[in-house]
Amino acid sequence: DADVTQTPRNRITKTGKRIMLECSQTKGHDRMYWYRQDPGLGLQLIYYSFDVKDINKGEISDGYSVSRQAQAKFSLSLESAIPNQTALYFCATSDSQGGDTQYFGPGTRLTVL
Amino acid sequence: SQKIEQNSEALNIQEGKTATLTCNYTNYSPAYLQWYRQDPGRGPVFLLLIRENEKEKRKERLKVTFDTTLKQSLFHITASQPADSATYLCALVQSDYKLSFGAGTTVTVRA
Repeated sequence: DADVTQTPRNRITKTGKRIMLECSQTKGHDRMYWYRQDPGLGLQLIYYSFDVKDINKGEISDGYSVSRQAQAKFSLSLESAIPNQTALYFCATSDSQGGDTQYFGPGTRLTVL
Repeated sequence: SQKIEQNSEALNIQEGKTATLTCNYTNYSPAYLQWYRQDPGRGPVFLLLIRENEKEKRKERLKVTFDTTLKQSLFHITASQPADSATYLCALVQSDYKLSFGAGTTVTVRA
C-alpha cells in the first residue's frame, strides 16, 4: 500500500462549490503539507502542519483552509471554488528527524468549471 | 524578491551522455538543497540532499554540487538512460524547514 494517499484522484466541480481533498499517511511522520502545481510553475506551498495542533499558512493560502484531524490525516478545503484553483494538488509528509525529505502523494487533479 | 531558477529549456540528450541541470537562487539563505524527480502525473520523489557546508554529493549515477557563493547547484546524470527521462526539481530548505521549489527541468534521453 502507498505510504501517502490522496482522495479523490480526479475531481471536476463548478464555481462556488465547496470541495475537500483528503490526505492520509502511514509513514508516522509529524509534518504534513499541501502544495499546488500549475504548468510551468514550481510547487507552491498552500498550508503546512508540524504537528496536530500546529497549522501554518504557506505562500498561497487565500481561498483555502485545512484541518489536521490526526497525525495521519490532513485535509484541504476550497470553501467556494473558482476556476483559477484548477491545478494539480499534492499532499506531502516529512519527518522532523529526517532532514525534511518530503514524501509526496500521487496528487489530485482538480478542475473548476 | 526570492527566486529559484532552473534551466529554462527542456534538455534533450543522447543515451550515454551526461545531463547537467542548473538551479540558481536569489534572496535565499538555504540550510540545504534537495533534488527531486517527477514523472508525468505523479508526485515528486526525493533523490539527493546536499548541505550548505558540502561541496558535492554522489548517489550511483547522480552527482550534485552546491556553491553558496555563486548561489547555484548543479545536478548531473552520468551515463544517461531513457529511463532517466523525467522532470527534475530543485528545492531549497531554509531555517524554518519549509521547502521552496523551482519550476523544474524536463530531461528527455534518446536511445
